[in-house]
Amino acid sequence: QKEVEQDPGPLSVPEGAIVSLNCTYSNSAFQYFMWYRQYSRKGPELLMYTYSSGNKEDGRFTAQVDKSSKYISLFIRDSQPSDSATYLCAMSALIQGAQKLVFGQGTRLTINP
Amino acid sequence: NAGVTQTPKFQVLKTGQSMTLQCAQDMNHNSMYWYRQDPGMGLRLIYYSASEGTTDKGEVPNGYNVSRLNKREFSLRLESAAPSQTSVYFCASRRLTGGVNYGYTFGSGTRLTVV
Repeated sequence: QKEVEQDPGPLSVPEGAIVSLNCTYSNSAFQYFMWYRQYSRKGPELLMYTYSSGNKEDGRFTAQVDKSSKYISLFIRDSQPSDSATYLCAMSALIQGAQKLVFGQGTRLTINP
Repeated sequence: NAGVTQTPKFQVLKTGQSMTLQCAQDMNHNSMYWYRQDPGMGLRLIYYSASEGTTDKGEVPNGYNVSRLNKREFSLRLESAAPSQTSVYFCASRRLTGGVNYGYTFGSGTRLTVV
């Protein structure tokens, strides 16, 4: 079993729809939770960053962490064609003195005009 | 612009050839990382350097070596390339101040094909 599971999609929705992207994880030591956006032939860029459980909102994006269920989500409201990209969840923990960062597989998202 | 710079952007190697992938960051970050990205596998850590002068193995280190030349530069070397090393390679750096993790900044990647 992978430490972080993410549905690879692909996911295709019409412009203006609400998008929900999710990841589950198995290691309860994870404390920092991130979402990265990766455009085609580019490096991942940090989109959202949260520590521990709770919600964080940034414009049209909301990140949600439920540590009790080991489940994180990213919601995109009023989705735009420019949101079309691969979204990767990532989580990290300090394990044996070293920061361990683990990525999900990434979900490819297409927003259709 | 500040960030992580990788060279080259593309490379084709023959089996058995060697090459070095270069990475430099100008954000004064302490930690640097090399990842590979393969379809369906996500990003996997090859090697990392928590600070200048230290390097450690990640999840998939076999067939690779690294050098942390100074605080800015972290190179990845393939001594004898194999087709299984065909991948997209990303360098990343991380700001860690006072125990607070500010996330990772990635370069734009090196697309390597080994034939």
